[in-house]
Amino acid sequence: DQQVKQNSPSLSVQEGRISILNCDYTNSMFDYFLWYKKYPAEGPTFLISISSIKDKNEDGRFTVFLNKSAKHLSLHIVPSQPGDSAVYFCAALNNAGNMLTFGGGTRLMVKP
Amino acid sequence: NAGVTQTPKFQVLKTGQSMTLQCAQDMNHNSMYWYRQDPGMGLRLIYYSASEGTTDKGEVPNGYNVSRLNKREFSLRLESAAPSQTSVYFCASQPDRVGTEAFFGQGTRLTVV
Repeated sequence: DQQVKQNSPSLSVQEGRISILNCDYTNSMFDYFLWYKKYPAEGPTFLISISSIKDKNEDGRFTVFLNKSAKHLSLHIVPSQPGDSAVYFCAALNNAGNMLTFGGGTRLMVKP
Repeated sequence: NAGVTQTPKFQVLKTGQSMTLQCAQDMNHNSMYWYRQDPGMGLRLIYYSASEGTTDKGEVPNGYNVSRLNKREFSLRLESAAPSQTSVYFCASQPDRVGTEAFFGQGTRLTVV
């Protein structure tokens, strides 16, 4: 049973609009959450993270929101740009800090 | 900056053949990981190593072995490849500070026929 789920396999957004990528998790012991971005034929690269003691973290155009009671987090990209087109993975870190559990990924397409 | 380097980038094996995927990092990280990526499944942890000389099973270890040769290198071995091991394999390393991100290599695309 997947402990981290991204229920939307793909998302298409117009350039300049907001992209919202969602992620749900089941394990309340997860301590830290991260978003990774992946382009074809490359390894994932870190985008933004949030500690379980916070509910929001912002970095430029990227904001991650965490709702612990709902076991849900989301990544907002505003404004979306064509270069943001990639696969986005949500990941959760256990409280020992040594194991990342990934969601299945969401492919974002930003249309010019 | 090399970061995490994986070799080879592509490999085709016949069922039953063996091979070793190599990974090296130059960031002096203690923790290293091997993941496989399959469509719709995200990245699943095969094995990890918290420090030189230690290794532990992840979510999907069956059919694989690993060696943490030294602090820099962490290799993944398939002793008898099966078509179910067709996947993209990623090596990663991570600093010791809790909550810091892992850094990934570019991946090895393996096809077992």
